[in-house]
Amino acid sequence: GAGVSQSPSNKVTEKGKDVELRCDPISGHTALYWYRQSLGQGLEFLIYFQGNSAPDKSGLPSDRFSAERTGGSVSTLTIQRTQQEDSAVYLCASSPRATPTEQFFGPGTRLTVL
Amino acid sequence: SQQGEEDPQALSIQEGENATMNCSYKTSINNLQWYRQNSGRGLVHLILIRSNEREKHSGRLRVTLDTSKKSSSLLITASRAADTASYFCATDTSGNTPLVFGKGTRLSVIA
Repeated sequence: GAGVSQSPSNKVTEKGKDVELRCDPISGHTALYWYRQSLGQGLEFLIYFQGNSAPDKSGLPSDRFSAERTGGSVSTLTIQRTQQEDSAVYLCASSPRATPTEQFFGPGTRLTVL
Repeated sequence: SQQGEEDPQALSIQEGENATMNCSYKTSINNLQWYRQNSGRGLVHLILIRSNEREKHSGRLRVTLDTSKKSSSLLITASRAADTASYFCATDTSGNTPLVFGKGTRLSVIA
């Protein structure tokens, strides 16, 4: 079946603009995660959705970052007033169960803020 | 802050040799996982080891876990050029928490 997809694959924007990144998880997966990976670094947790529960936003670095998950499926990560330090690869993952087990990752969106 | 720290940061070996990567973490965990990332792509799950397990095998992969030392190792035997990638350990604590990743080991296997 189809894996996790993300769009766009690359996004170049100017400092101060807003961007939206999209994630389509694997059908039926109840948990969805957003991570950020800066060049040469590990993954930094941003936000976690599980079913209809309130999302865990503890990893969001500032109030410029927000995310939604509509209908328990597609998720959008929004970054407002982008800064150069927001440049990174944004990775989305989904998993079939509530507790963290194997996560299935999308290919990521490479964001460059000029 | 990141929970896992892999070492070495980079490893270069000849095809056919074994590659060993280590991961240390700070707090008690529920599970530890290893993921692989090819350049510019998403991560692929390799293996999961639970806190009550000490060793696990999957094909050419062997993972050990020492909870007393808060460390894990990933051994890839008979390496191939296609094993060239970055390898990350990731941990979760008991309860409903996301994975915490280390910075990764960049493995280069030279044919």
